[in-house]
Amino acid sequence: EAGVAQSPRYKIIEKRQSVAFWCNPISGHATLYWYQQILGQGPKLLIQFQNNGVVDDSQLPKDRFSAERLKGVDSTLKIQPAKLEDSAVYLCASSLRHSGNTIYFGEGSWLTVV
Amino acid sequence: GNSVTQMEGPVTLSEEAFLTINCTYTATGYPSLFWYVQYPGEGLQLLLKATKADDKGSNKGFEATYRKETTSFHLEKGSVQVSDSAVYFCALNPRETSGSRLTFGEGTQLTVNP
Repeated sequence: EAGVAQSPRYKIIEKRQSVAFWCNPISGHATLYWYQQILGQGPKLLIQFQNNGVVDDSQLPKDRFSAERLKGVDSTLKIQPAKLEDSAVYLCASSLRHSGNTIYFGEGSWLTVV
Repeated sequence: GNSVTQMEGPVTLSEEAFLTINCTYTATGYPSLFWYVQYPGEGLQLLLKATKADDKGSNKGFEATYRKETTSFHLEKGSVQVSDSAVYFCALNPRETSGSRLTFGEGTQLTVNP
């Protein structure tokens, strides 16, 4: 079974530039998550989708971050304009619909803002 | 709210030493509990989980027991190997929310020396 796919793996941009990350979840997984992991910290949830609807985006900095999952499968996370403090690993994850199911993570997209 | 507290790292051990990484949690109700591992340059991998009180999760020689009375889920391994060097994250998934959602601890860096 293929895992959660993410791209690009690494990205270096200057502050105020924009960047987009793509994620393809495990086939059949209705729930998709984007987490932000700053170096030395645990991952923090940015946004959770159920199919193509947003379940929780309370911790997403909406002035600069946006995410979509238009067809209920793959998803894109965008940052515009980027700030130095956005340097982090952006982890995509997916799970089956129901509460308590295991969440599977991709390898992450490593962003450095200079 | 929900939270997870892990013992501070980093932890450095010699090969074949006994490992304990403490984890305590705060949550309403009866969450599911997880340990994830992150090897250098990689994403998060599920190591083990427990879904109810007194359950013991185990995998690759690692064990953790869900202790409701002490709200703990400590990770243990009897004899660590160099290949166990990684960052370990304790996490909880509350049952009340729709779908799955993880809250992570800050992570504990483990280094095992030959």
